[in-house]
Amino acid sequence: AQSVTQLGSHVSVSEGALVLLRCNYSSSVPPYLFWYVQYPNQGLQLLLKYTSAATLVKGINGFEAEFKKSETSFHLTKPSAHMSDAAEYFCAVTTRGGTGGFKTIFGAGTRLFVKA
Amino acid sequence: ETGVTQTPRHLVMGMTNKKSLKCEQHLGHNAMYWYKQSAKKPLELMFVYSLEERVENNSVPSRFSPECPNSSHLFLHLHTLQPEDSALYLCASSQDNYENTEAFFGQGTRLTVV
Repeated sequence: AQSVTQLGSHVSVSEGALVLLRCNYSSSVPPYLFWYVQYPNQGLQLLLKYTSAATLVKGINGFEAEFKKSETSFHLTKPSAHMSDAAEYFCAVTTRGGTGGFKTIFGAGTRLFVKA
Repeated sequence: ETGVTQTPRHLVMGMTNKKSLKCEQHLGHNAMYWYKQSAKKPLELMFVYSLEERVENNSVPSRFSPECPNSSHLFLHLHTLQPEDSALYLCASSQDNYENTEAFFGQGTRLTVV
């Protein structure tokens, strides 16, 4: 079964600095990968998804992620952090469910802190 | 209304109470999900419904009972819960439960069991 591992439960950056949130996947077949963001007291919202059309995926709010098969990674980046980016970020992968359909499995999450 | 709506947003219940969480989606999706989000634990998938049929029960205790009367509504019936069941319960929906389909989440119900 596919799975994802997020390295670092907390990341702190200064406003204007590069954001790098790490995600590695485990999959025996080409995976479908996702990044979601959760703001305080909210549900999760899709940032971007990888579906094999292009290795560099652009998402909302200036975020992007690069699929690297050789490193089994799908790290999320943003060139310049903004205070409003402070949230929890989840990497996710779809994997086959019990009755033939698919289900989404989430990583443990990385909380991003942005310092003024 | 649009999107996925969950009610109530907050719920406090005793261990002997019976309550229900409600989820409604206005996106025309065919799949719906319940997730549990506890502090310091990964998001846990509880149940998956596709076209109103339960297709996944992720070893959830029987004190949680889901119901999907139609493709727009999903309930989670709760009875004789334990304090460790306190968590944020998230409902989500997707167009279908195919491999490349993203999920749309509600804002969650914050449940506290006392």
